[in-house]
Amino acid sequence: RKEVEQDPGPFNVPEGATVAFNCTYSNSASQSFFWYRQDCRKEPKLLMSVYSSGNEDGRFTAQLNRASQYISLLIRDSKLSDSATYLCVVKGYGGATNKLIFGTGTLLAVQP
Amino acid sequence: DAGVIQSPRHEVTEMGQEVTLRCKPISGHNSLFWYRQTMMRGLELLIYFNNNVPIDDSGMPEDRFSAKMPNASFSTLKIQPSEPRDSAVYFCASRTGTGLGGYTFGSGTRLTVV
Repeated sequence: RKEVEQDPGPFNVPEGATVAFNCTYSNSASQSFFWYRQDCRKEPKLLMSVYSSGNEDGRFTAQLNRASQYISLLIRDSKLSDSATYLCVVKGYGGATNKLIFGTGTLLAVQP
Repeated sequence: DAGVIQSPRHEVTEMGQEVTLRCKPISGHNSLFWYRQTMMRGLELLIYFNNNVPIDDSGMPEDRFSAKMPNASFSTLKIQPSEPRDSAVYFCASRTGTGLGGYTFGSGTRLTVV
């Protein structure tokens, strides 16, 4: 089983739609969680951290369910510019607390 | 801040040749990471350094791969000899040791071994 699993998509949505991505992680000792965004042929960039109580940044909302080892990202009022791959990321645990473990990403295509 | 700088941006080489990828981390960042990205496997951590010392190289696929960090501002990833299955995008990333957030990635090196 992969340490971080995501639905690869693609998710094809119209502009203005609300879309949600889910992610599960295998190690219950994981402490820190992130969503990264990667545009085609570019490097990954930090979109937002995910906090236990859930957090919002504009149109983006991230949530964490530790009991289910589940992370989500909600994008409201999607824009064409939101088209990208969204990577779920879990920070290492135990002796590997400096490592980031990436899911394989979920591709979002926002259509005009 | 120039960000994490990688070179070359693209590399095409023949099987069996030596390939050297280079990375300059952000000044003041004391952790450096090398990742490889392919369609099939996504982003995989190859090795990371703290204060120029290799900490975890468990992701290095084979002895053909080696990485060095001779000083705080420079790291190399070498593949010798290269094989077609090494074709991928190689990313370098850095972060501060005290940071709670994620990394800053370089633009990557797209390696094609023919």
